[in-house]
Amino acid sequence: EAQVTQNPRYLITVTGKKLTVTCSQNMNHEYMSWYRQDPGLGLRQIYYSMNVEVTDKGDVPEGYKVSRKEKRNFPLILESPSPNQTSLYFCASSPVMERGEETQYFGPGTRLLVL
Amino acid sequence: AQTVTQSQPEMSVQEAETVTLSCTYDTSESDYYLFWYKQPPSRQMILVIRQEAYKQQNATENRFSVNFQKAAKSFSLKISDSQLGDAAMYFCAYRVSNFGNEKLTFGTGTRLTIIP
Repeated sequence: EAQVTQNPRYLITVTGKKLTVTCSQNMNHEYMSWYRQDPGLGLRQIYYSMNVEVTDKGDVPEGYKVSRKEKRNFPLILESPSPNQTSLYFCASSPVMERGEETQYFGPGTRLLVL
Repeated sequence: AQTVTQSQPEMSVQEAETVTLSCTYDTSESDYYLFWYKQPPSRQMILVIRQEAYKQQNATENRFSVNFQKAAKSFSLKISDSQLGDAAMYFCAYRVSNFGNEKLTFGTGTRLTIIP
């Protein structure tokens, strides 16, 4: 089954304790992206990757890191989480086509609470 | 920068009736895509319908259809014969059509309640 998986699905942590949210897709997609969803703000892009070893900032990258060492995986790293990073996080992937025609596939979401 | 505006934070409709959710956007691009996503209580993001800006014909998917007005930069979603399973948060989203960051720009969402 074609899918994007995220782990963990729920996480409660404390300020300053490094954490990683994993994202994996089994569709051989080149493009992967992280979004965060906050009430009244919709979803906003954090980071994206066009392919292995190619990553770039989205609209709200502060406090986050990413890496793309393998095509299927795109982990989101919070080196020193703060309460303002409490949010619902989505990973998404899609093929890269010249006109950008493909639709993105979303993971199930990770709900993070930073105390 | 592109922006997407959903001016209705909440809407409600009687079961079996028709409801229209509004969305406007701002862009200087001529070629782009527009989407409606549904987010039920499970939080999963589900694509409802997509529209390509260069196509004048409005997209339809079963009970879901859009009214795309390119000059007015308006993209509303009509749900016909509303069902209890349609209750969800609905997000309008925009993406420019080019080779590069395929970022989706989302509106703030409209929460739809279905009244039995």
